[in-house]
Amino acid sequence: AQSVTQLGSHVSVSEGALVLLRCNYSSSVPPYLFWYVQYPNQGLQLLLKYTSAATLVKGINGFEAEFKKSETSFHLTKPSAHMSDAAEYFCAAPRMDSSYKLIFGSGTRLLVRP
Amino acid sequence: SQTIHQWPATLVQPVGSPLSLECTVEGTSNPNLYWYRQAAGRGLQLLFYSVGIGQISSEVPQNLSASRPQDRQFILSSKKLLLSDSGFYLCAWSVSPVTEAFFGQGTRLTVV
Repeated sequence: AQSVTQLGSHVSVSEGALVLLRCNYSSSVPPYLFWYVQYPNQGLQLLLKYTSAATLVKGINGFEAEFKKSETSFHLTKPSAHMSDAAEYFCAAPRMDSSYKLIFGSGTRLLVRP
Repeated sequence: SQTIHQWPATLVQPVGSPLSLECTVEGTSNPNLYWYRQAAGRGLQLLFYSVGIGQISSEVPQNLSASRPQDRQFILSSKKLLLSDSGFYLCAWSVSPVTEAFFGQGTRLTVV
């Protein structure tokens, strides 16, 4: 069955350090991949999406993600973390069958230390 | 531009009471609509999705039901709430099942 796996339920970085949040997908290559951000008590906001037009995707707030087919990965990065980046991040992909579903990873909570 | 409205933002209800959460989408027609739930510290669980008026699919057996009385209105209901129904409920819409979903601001439901 298709799945989306996020390694690390919590990631802690210092302010100004590189942010790397990991996402791997299984099964066939999906046509789209997404990263969402969720701040406390808010809905999910789309950060960026991969649409097969380019393997390196730039999103909002300085985030970017690179699609690597050979590694079945779509990791999210940001060169320099800000305190305001502290939130939960979800990777998602459409399920490749007739269901109307996005499959979400279990989420990674990013903590930014001053 | 499209917007999604979800209310109320917070709700405290006693066990056994009914529930009605409403979600509306503006600026698009015939959206796919979804209800998700997040339990504390956990990921998203898809509860219901709808591809059109009156068409509801349930993902998991539960104490909840959903209805879509109008094209851009999606309602989550329960006749009698359980303690286990507590959680953060999110409504979302998408143009198609493989494209991105856009989420409402969520409703924090606490059943006491």
